[in-house]
Amino acid sequence: QVQLQESGPGLVKPSQTLSLTCTVSGGSISSGGYYWSWIRQHPGKGLEWIGYIYYSGSTYYNPSLKSRVTISVDTSKNQFSLKLSSVTAADTAVYYCARVNPRGEQIDIWGQGTMVTVSS
Amino acid sequence: DIQMTQSPSSLSASVGDRVTITCQASQDISNYLNWYQQKPGKAPKLLIYDASNLETGVPSRFSGSGSGTDFTFTISSLQPEDIATYYCQQYDNLPMYTFGQGTKLEIK
Repeated sequence: QVQLQESGPGLVKPSQTLSLTCTVSGGSISSGGYYWSWIRQHPGKGLEWIGYIYYSGSTYYNPSLKSRVTISVDTSKNQFSLKLSSVTAADTAVYYCARVNPRGEQIDIWGQGTMVTVSS
Repeated sequence: DIQMTQSPSSLSASVGDRVTITCQASQDISNYLNWYQQKPGKAPKLLIYDASNLETGVPSRFSGSGSGTDFTFTISSLQPEDIATYYCQQYDNLPMYTFGQGTKLEIK
């Protein structure tokens, strides 16, 4: 049973870079042709897709965040990571890592989510 | 960009009621629509894919229908454990995914 777990600082200062890691357990990040994604949810709000990475390293980002987002993968550690630069209070949210199926159509596994607050 | 509009934004119903949520796309998305359930403090969970297919292990009281721009999600007999927020999500515009704003379901 594949499981995902987010980790990283819960508090980030404005203008700094938010960095989160998602550790994949119960399966290899390199197998199965899945897309490894980040999604966020502002407090009390809906879901916003941030982007995804394929195990080969190819990425796609939400155009609204593209200039500030980098998603990378470390297959040796079975992890993928999110970096969001120049954060503001508007980036305060619960951040989820998730797996998209090989067809690229359904998000079939989610991490539990981690709350990140941007504040000085 | 494809916009997804859910209605209602919140809903109160009694145990045993039939509950219906609608999702409208801003353009034709064929059947490229999923439904997710998010319980308080938890991550979303996939319930319905391709507009009408039940994900493995999901109770049969959940169902979905529709194509094109108009979609419906139904709980045939509401149970207390169904209290959650429900989201539709389109994948017609890959690799960009868009969610509806959510429908919060409460017990009356």
